[in-house]
Amino acid sequence: SQKIEQNSEALNIQEGKTATLTCNYTNYSPAYLQWYRQDPGRGPVFLLLIRENEKEKRKERLKVTFDTTLKQSLFHITASQPADSATYLCALEDTGRRALTFGSGTRLQVQP
Amino acid sequence: NAGVTQTPKFQVLKTGQSMTLQCAQDMNHEYMSWYRQDPGMGLRLIHYSVGAGITDQGEVPNGYNVSRSTTEDFPLRLLSAAPSQTSVYFCASSYLNTGELFFGEGSRLTVL
Repeated sequence: SQKIEQNSEALNIQEGKTATLTCNYTNYSPAYLQWYRQDPGRGPVFLLLIRENEKEKRKERLKVTFDTTLKQSLFHITASQPADSATYLCALEDTGRRALTFGSGTRLQVQP
Repeated sequence: NAGVTQTPKFQVLKTGQSMTLQCAQDMNHEYMSWYRQDPGMGLRLIHYSVGAGITDQGEVPNGYNVSRSTTEDFPLRLLSAAPSQTSVYFCASSYLNTGELFFGEGSRLTVL
C-alpha cells in the first residue's frame, strides 16, 4: 500500500543550528513533492515544491532534496530561529492523479 | 484578497444532524479540495474537484457529499453526522497547472 512517513517524534534543536526533517515514501511515483508549514490552529502554508527531475531546491534559509531512488526527501532549515517552530508536512501527488497526499508531519521546536 | 474562506469556524452537532461546511476562494483556482485532520493521522483527502461540474472521491469520502456549481464555491455536506466525523476540516485550492495548495483556516466540527 502507499505510505508517506515522517518522523512522528518532535525535533528539538538549538537556535542557529540546522534542522533536518525526513520524508520517506513507498509505492508512489511522484511527479513532484511539496513541503508545508502548519502552526497550531492554522491551515498549512506552502513552502517549497521540488520536481522528480530536480535534486535540490533552495529558498532563503530552506533547502529541499529529492532522491527518487531512495524514495526520500530531506528538508533543511539553516540558521534556525524560534519562529521556525511549527509542524512541517510533506506531500506527494502521484503521477496522473490530482490528489495530494500528506504525511502526518514532524513538529520542530527551536530553543532560544 | 481573501484567499480561501471557510465557514463556520466552529460547529457542534448531534449525531444524525446534517450540515454544510462552506468554502469559497477568490483566486479563480480550478482545483478545490476538502481534507480532514485528526491527531496523529495527518491530513486525509475527502473529495476534490478539478473544475465546475466535476468532482471526485479522495481517500475518505464516505459520509460526505460535495458539489461544484461555480468555480468559487465547493461546499462539503454531512448528511447524517456521526461522532467519527469529529475533526478539523480544511478546504484548499490551487491552479491546475501548479501544485501549490492554498488552505483555509479550518472548520472545527464536534459531533456528540
